[in-house]
Amino acid sequence: VLTQSPGTLSLSPGERATLSCRSSQSVSSSFLAWYQQTPGRAPRLLIYGASIRATGIPGRFSGSGSGTDFTLTISRLEREDFAVYYCHHYGDSITFGGGTKVEI
Amino acid sequence: QVEESGGGLVKPGGSLRLSCAVSGLTFSHAWMTWVRQAPGKGLEWVALIKSQAMGTITYGAPVEGRFTISRDDSKNTVYLHMNSLTSEDTAVYYCAHVDTNSGNYFLGQWGQGTLVIVSS
Repeated sequence: VLTQSPGTLSLSPGERATLSCRSSQSVSSSFLAWYQQTPGRAPRLLIYGASIRATGIPGRFSGSGSGTDFTLTISRLEREDFAVYYCHHYGDSITFGGGTKVEI
Repeated sequence: QVEESGGGLVKPGGSLRLSCAVSGLTFSHAWMTWVRQAPGKGLEWVALIKSQAMGTITYGAPVEGRFTISRDDSKNTVYLHMNSLTSEDTAVYYCAHVDTNSGNYFLGQWGQGTLVIVSS
């Protein structure tokens, strides 16, 4: 089970966002990814391998962590970053966290 | 690219088949998955199909025994056959490619989704 916190993060443009994803058991970083979803759109891959930015993803997005605790950080929020973020683990089954909404 | 089709309105207890057409990768080697999102809710994994050579298929608990994932490598297409539908199956259904090339496993390409509404 992946548990994301907080459920909602209220911040202003320019601020730093720190999103947490905690696994109920230790997982390999190779199988941990983060996605961004804006209203009415499909999820978009941001980070894979826990810390590798996907192609075209700005440098303000970074991922870290290992074992059971993973973090997505957005260093300085821009308006287009206000969205819902999901962590994801590929294992015996594919699991998603419940999501964190980053709102203005 | 990944493109879903086949969504629509279906009555409870009914059936529906979704299609997912894939281009731009070696489809016969591709692992593909379906993920759904109920209105206002988060992402929920539905089913996974690995390459035909590997032959592995797995399902999420809520759909096991009712849904069937299959593939036609000659058409670069993955299907999701859905039976015994209930209102709980109402969702946008996304098809996605499971990228495993780098040794990291993630959903690299997603379709735009197709909406399934189960209602009388």
